[in-house]
Amino acid sequence: EVQLVESGGGLVQPGRSLRLSCAASGFTFDEYAMHWVRQAPGKGLEWVSGITWNSGNIDYADSVKGRFTISRDNAKNSLYLQMNSLRVEDTALYYCAKTGCSSTSCYVNWWGQGTLVTVSS
Amino acid sequence: DVVMTQSPDSLAVSLGERATINCKSSQSVLNSSNNKNYLAWYQQKPGQPPKLLIYWASTREYGVPDRFSGSGSGTDFTLTISALQAEDVAVYYCHQYYGTLKATFGGGTKVEVK
Repeated sequence: EVQLVESGGGLVQPGRSLRLSCAASGFTFDEYAMHWVRQAPGKGLEWVSGITWNSGNIDYADSVKGRFTISRDNAKNSLYLQMNSLRVEDTALYYCAKTGCSSTSCYVNWWGQGTLVTVSS
Repeated sequence: DVVMTQSPDSLAVSLGERATINCKSSQSVLNSSNNKNYLAWYQQKPGQPPKLLIYWASTREYGVPDRFSGSGSGTDFTLTISALQAEDVAVYYCHQYYGTLKATFGGGTKVEVK
């Protein structure tokens, strides 16, 4: 069974950094693009960043471009999100998400339970 | 960027009745080379991550009840629950994934029992 387990969230002051991790299992990790999607408390889903299977193609939402960096380690079946210069508005539950096909443009077919990031002084 | 607009924001439907959710994209998400619409629907219940219901606009994910169906093409899409069950109370999101890694979600539609 597919499992995506996020970690690394917590309470952090504005301007500080945090690194999220996602441990994947139950599927061939290096065959699929992966995404980070966040959800602010009581709000809708917001796509944050995506990365293709070989890290050859990476993209970010405008709201995080230049501050966040996505990466993956296929040998460790892991996805990461380095978040720098955090802002109060980055407060959200961050989901690791697996796509359902090998191509760049694909739907998400599995979500982790999420890790909560709270940015507050 | 492609903007996804869902309507209504919420709706209340009696058990056994039909629920219809609309999603409109600011640009076409139809790929004419493969005739696929790059549009998915998700269900999110309180305290849970989203769950994939429909992809390619009308393909039901394995295990999803057949009372859920998706339709539409180009810029206008619909998710229909043919006969609402109590367990269908949730927020529903559309999602476009056309062309690049960058994706966008609709604002969500909350479905409740009347």
